[in-house]
Amino acid sequence: ETGVTQTPRHLVMGMTNKKSLKCEQHLGHNAMYWYKQSAKKPLELMFVYNFKEQTENNSVPSRFSPECPNSSHLFLHLHTLQPEDSALYLCASSQAPGELTDTQYFGPGTRLTVL
Amino acid sequence: AQKVTQAQTEISVVEKEDVTLDCVYETRDTTYYLFWYKQPPSGELVFLIRRNSFDEQNEISGRYSWNFQKSTSSFNFTITASQVVDSAVYFCALSDPYGGGNQFYFGTGTSLTVIP
Repeated sequence: ETGVTQTPRHLVMGMTNKKSLKCEQHLGHNAMYWYKQSAKKPLELMFVYNFKEQTENNSVPSRFSPECPNSSHLFLHLHTLQPEDSALYLCASSQAPGELTDTQYFGPGTRLTVL
Repeated sequence: AQKVTQAQTEISVVEKEDVTLDCVYETRDTTYYLFWYKQPPSGELVFLIRRNSFDEQNEISGRYSWNFQKSTSSFNFTITASQVVDSAVYFCALSDPYGGGNQFYFGTGTSLTVIP
């Protein structure tokens, strides 16, 4: 595997379900990110982890719970979601957070539908 | 406040035509980076180019070229002789490093359709 991978690619869940999204980066990067992409809206940064430590939480509802056990893996735990949470969830990673030249590389995303 | 505007929501061109995607940004920082990403139907954002605020030279990579003009806060992207495989959503982004992390500001994207 190369780059940034995400599983599952598609997920349909009910509002009472609990599920998790997984992201893995094979680039040796030090930072990982979760973004939400809804139709007709800019990408919304949700969480940032630098060296496994959460450094950003952009007022994300508590029904989204991130976990970063190491620099290569990032999870997004979902519970009691709402239909408006349906979106494409993108994971990204970068090598040198805080440096101007830092570039984020994205995974293919998980298309989430909440019924 | 930082902001990226991509005024063109959707563009359609016929194959082999040239097309320019506009990007206008706002920032109070004097040092920053600008990016373009391509998002094909598969969903993954593919990094295309990174440009720093001190380098206003235009850049060309094959059929792609970028025009950075600090005076107008614009970073436009031109595809020459477009092909069907260029059909995708293109995002312009501005980086704003802070503390120990990077904040990226993305535009809303321009959906390009190249008609064969």
